Amino acid sequence: GAGVSQTPSNKVTEKGKYVELRCDPISGHTALYWYRQSLGQGPEFLIYFQGTGAADDSGLPNDRFFAVRPEGSVSTLKIQRTERGDSAVYLCASSPGTGGAFFGQGTRLTVV
Amino acid sequence: AQSVTQLDSQVPVFEEAPVELRCNYSSSVSVYLFWYVQYPNQGLQLLLKYLSGSTLVKGINGFEAEFNKSQTSFHLRKPSVHISDTAEYFCAVSEWNNDMRFGAGTRLTVKP
Repeated sequence: GAGVSQTPSNKVTEKGKYVELRCDPISGHTALYWYRQSLGQGPEFLIYFQGTGAADDSGLPNDRFFAVRPEGSVSTLKIQRTERGDSAVYLCASSPGTGGAFFGQGTRLTVV
Repeated sequence: AQSVTQLDSQVPVFEEAPVELRCNYSSSVSVYLFWYVQYPNQGLQLLLKYLSGSTLVKGINGFEAEFNKSQTSFHLRKPSVHISDTAEYFCAVSEWNNDMRFGAGTRLTVKP
């Protein structure tokens, strides 16, 4: 596709459930980022992939959060035992290198 | 790790007035610097970037920014703002490995 695609655009889940958020980056982009954005705040870094490997996962808040990018393209962010505090917009971005990243529209996650 | 401080959380300004949004970064190595804009209910869009070379960088919509290494700053400027510039602006820094971190954002409100 022409841009970064994130699915679903909205997700409502019950506290304690498991969710998966998907990101399709721009074709050929080697770098992929996940961020979380709460209302009125800047994007909070979660994890950064270079190819298939996680180059930096220091932003993942705890072991309930996990992300994969098995073939160096599509990435999935997985959240176990969701909590109300996980509610936010989850942003994915991809980059071909040093020129800056291109963002998707985000997935709005609401935990009720 | 690198970090970004945006010194003003909100900047109100009248239409056609000049504006400066301030950004300071912290890093122990050479950096790449970016400004992103987020219009209401939209995704993040790259406004401009500094990778190397000239310290004055021009971006879209008449914005420009100046990289000052000695002051570790990358302030965003526009000589005359429009109502349509009302948005949230984010400064971001990336080190050699492309790991990108964002500031908390500055809400620019342009009044008629």
